[in-house]
Parts: sequence; structure tokens; C-alpha cells
Amino acid sequence: EPEVTQTPSHQVTQMGQEVILRCVPISNHLYFYWYRQILGQKVEFLVSFYNNEISEKSEIFDDQFSVERPDGSNFTLKIRSTKLEDSAMYFCASSGQGDTEAFFGQGTRLTVV
Amino acid sequence: AQSVTQLGSHVSVSEGALVLLRCNYSSSVPPYLFWYVQYPNQGLQLLLKYTTGATLVKGINGFEAEFKKSETSFHLTKPSAHMSDAAEYFCAVSRGSSNTGKLIFGQGTTLQVKP
Repeated sequence: EPEVTQTPSHQVTQMGQEVILRCVPISNHLYFYWYRQILGQKVEFLVSFYNNEISEKSEIFDDQFSVERPDGSNFTLKIRSTKLEDSAMYFCASSGQGDTEAFFGQGTRLTVV
Repeated sequence: AQSVTQLGSHVSVSEGALVLLRCNYSSSVPPYLFWYVQYPNQGLQLLLKYTTGATLVKGINGFEAEFKKSETSFHLTKPSAHMSDAAEYFCAVSRGSSNTGKLIFGQGTTLQVKP
């Protein structure tokens, strides 16, 4: 069964460092999303991406964040200068044309120390 | 604007008992509604969804939910709880069309199942 794959499963980084979280969406999907879940809190929408551009973003998705689809298969989330409060589980999701649901990856747990 | 409220951050039931997890939503447009389950240290798995049509929807693992527009609710039920149902459950809403992308999640409800 096709699935969304995220790497790494856990990443530890020092405050102020840049981090890139990687996702491989389901192969024929066209719509891509990032969500985050701070420990003990709800899942929050960050950004959606379609046709090589951001289609919608939340207030959380400030200038420290960027997304890219560099090679037609990967979908990345970059945090330019990490802060302690960026520590969270980050979920990638994708959906195909006409889908009414998004398919989620297993998540990357980011710990900023 | 859309929002989701899950009543009860923790629900505890005995094995074999009815499971009822409550979800109320707010939406200015006809919504799509979802229930996701998250097991410890795992991702989000879709349990069921309501888009259009029949208001009682059945999902995986014996769960079902009923969309009640008049009550703006989408409560999740299961007639008989299993130990394996212990997990975090999230209700979510999106704008009622495909590829809307943006899901708004509730705070989540932790289901504990006692032997």
C-alpha cells in the first residue's frame, strides 16, 4: 500500500541551526502539506503546496520556514534558525487529485536543544 | 472560519463497554469531517470521514460516527471497546471540497481502556 515516508524519524539539533525535514509523498499525489504537533498539544496546519508553490499557510509559518519540492519526489520543510519552541513532531501529508482526505506520514520528531 | 472542540481530554472505559468520543465543530461552509487515531509514537491514521451523503459513516476497527448538522456534532462511537483501542483520537474539519488541504484539528481525546 502506498504511503508517505518521512526521514529522519527523530532529529536533534542545536538552537540556531538550520534543519531540513524530508518527506516522500505518495507518488501520484499533487497536493502536499506540513503539520506540526507540539508535545501534548493538538496538530496544527503549517502549509499546503501545489503546483510548485505555496497555496496556503498559517500564522505559524513565518519567514523562518520554507518548503520545497526539489526533485519531483521529495518535499522538504526547512527551518532556517531553529528555536527551542520549534521542538515538535512534524507531519507531512499528501493527497491526490479529487481526494477528500490527506494521507499522513509517521512524522519526524524534532528536538531543539 | 472553522474550529473543532473535543469534549473531554481523557476518556476511560472498561473493556467491552461503549466508547463515545465527542466532537463539535464550527464551520461557515459545509464541512468535511474526520476522525484520526494516533497510537504512541506513531503517525495519524484515518479512522473515518464524512464528506457528503449518508450521515452515519463507518470506519475501521468497528468505529462509526454520525454527522448531525443541527447539533454541529460528529461524535465517534464503538459498541465494545478493546484494549487495542487505547490511543489518542483527533477530530478534524476541512472545507467541504476536495484538496482543501487545511485540516483544523481538535485538542484530542486520550482513550484509556481498562481490563
